[in-house]
Amino acid sequence: AQRVTQPEKLLSVFKGAPVELKCNYSYSGSPELFWYVQYSRQRLQLLLRHISRESIKGFTADLNKGETSFHLKKPFAQEEDSAMYYCALKPSGGYNKLIFGAGTRLAVHP
Amino acid sequence: ETGVTQSPTHLIKTRGQQVTLRCSSQSGHNTVSWYQQALGQGPQFIFQYYREEENGRGNFPPRFSGLQFPNYSSELNVNALELDDSALYLCASSPPSAGEEQFFGPGTRLTVL
Repeated sequence: AQRVTQPEKLLSVFKGAPVELKCNYSYSGSPELFWYVQYSRQRLQLLLRHISRESIKGFTADLNKGETSFHLKKPFAQEEDSAMYYCALKPSGGYNKLIFGAGTRLAVHP
Repeated sequence: ETGVTQSPTHLIKTRGQQVTLRCSSQSGHNTVSWYQQALGQGPQFIFQYYREEENGRGNFPPRFSGLQFPNYSSELNVNALELDDSALYLCASSPPSAGEEQFFGPGTRLTVL
């Protein structure tokens, strides 16, 4: 079965603390993995994808095929990072279907 | 460049009715995908349209249907509405290359009473 699991509904940290948002997936092939973010009163938008191996807004994510994980990390959280974060998987194949996790709300306190 | 737009913003229907939701894709994008997001859940893939044809479908019954027009805008139709159809419906468009980023609209909030 193709599934994305985000075990934490809410992650609450203080400004300057490290952040790790967990994502585990179940897929037998070679998927593409993404993190999407939704800030308050804004639409869902792409944060980063594993293929590009970029660091966006200080966030990084490494695909671990052995552990089937794609955790999102940031060494020092900022208040503006407070948002809903969704991990998503795109199965290999011809069309752009995304399988999303349930999301984790990150709250960064001053 | 105009982003993805959706209409209406909110909609209230009763069980058994039919509903049509609309989406205008971002300029230059020829692929449109629809997602259903129930409260507290992540978006769930309904189907995708490419060049006016459905070319991928998630685990949704046939009463969920769609259309894509020559200008790449799209409609999602849901017949025989059920209470569980209450959700946020998201439209996403992407450019011609496979695997490209999907750009999401603001969504239509459907409430079925």
